[in-house]
Amino acid sequence: DTAVSQTPKYLVTQMGNDKSIKCEQNLGHDTMYWYKQDSKKFLKIMFSYNNKELIINETVPNRFSPKSPDKAHLNLHINSLELGDSAVYFCASSLSYTEAFFGQGTRLTVV
Amino acid sequence: AQSVTQPDIHITVSEGASLELRCNYSYGATPYLFWYVQSPGQGLQLLLKYFSGDTLVQGIKGFEAEFKRSQSSFNLRKPSVHWSDAAEYFCAVVPGRAGSYQLTFGKGTKLSVIP
Repeated sequence: DTAVSQTPKYLVTQMGNDKSIKCEQNLGHDTMYWYKQDSKKFLKIMFSYNNKELIINETVPNRFSPKSPDKAHLNLHINSLELGDSAVYFCASSLSYTEAFFGQGTRLTVV
Repeated sequence: AQSVTQPDIHITVSEGASLELRCNYSYGATPYLFWYVQSPGQGLQLLLKYFSGDTLVQGIKGFEAEFKRSQSSFNLRKPSVHWSDAAEYFCAVVPGRAGSYQLTFGKGTKLSVIP
């Protein structure tokens, strides 16, 4: 069983579209994250979600919105996609301050 | 400002040679420390972690890391590198119980292995 799974693995879409990436964890963790990895491999946290408390990285445009229907899921919705949104997006989860487990990533390409 | 620094962007070693990847952090208190590895096209895999106690920690795949409080460092080492170790390596920190839940990464070190 995959611990942290995200779908889709690849996503190609046109500018201006709205898209969602789904993430699910079956580890019983209480904290979930979304990270963006740019073309230089730099990993930047976008959001963390712990016990219904959302911590937002202020540099993330408000076109990005996380949605957590329950502790096991944290989806990422992106409105009005732009070319600069092209990146690999990673979902992760952890038990409070312990190590995070990562999904395999979603490679988003905006054309 | 709090930060994680990996001074080496790219390191090339010969197969069988020893390896040390550097990581320095800048936090008010001792954070929780991690090393992750990312193979091409893959997600991140945890190699090892340090929370407290023995400052030399053992991880998977023959890796170890040493926490040095006086140097604010957490360097990753391996005595003999294998070709399959070629990957991107990330040092990461969590501020600890007084901080937020954010896991902050360094910019990574790319390891190339010469046969």
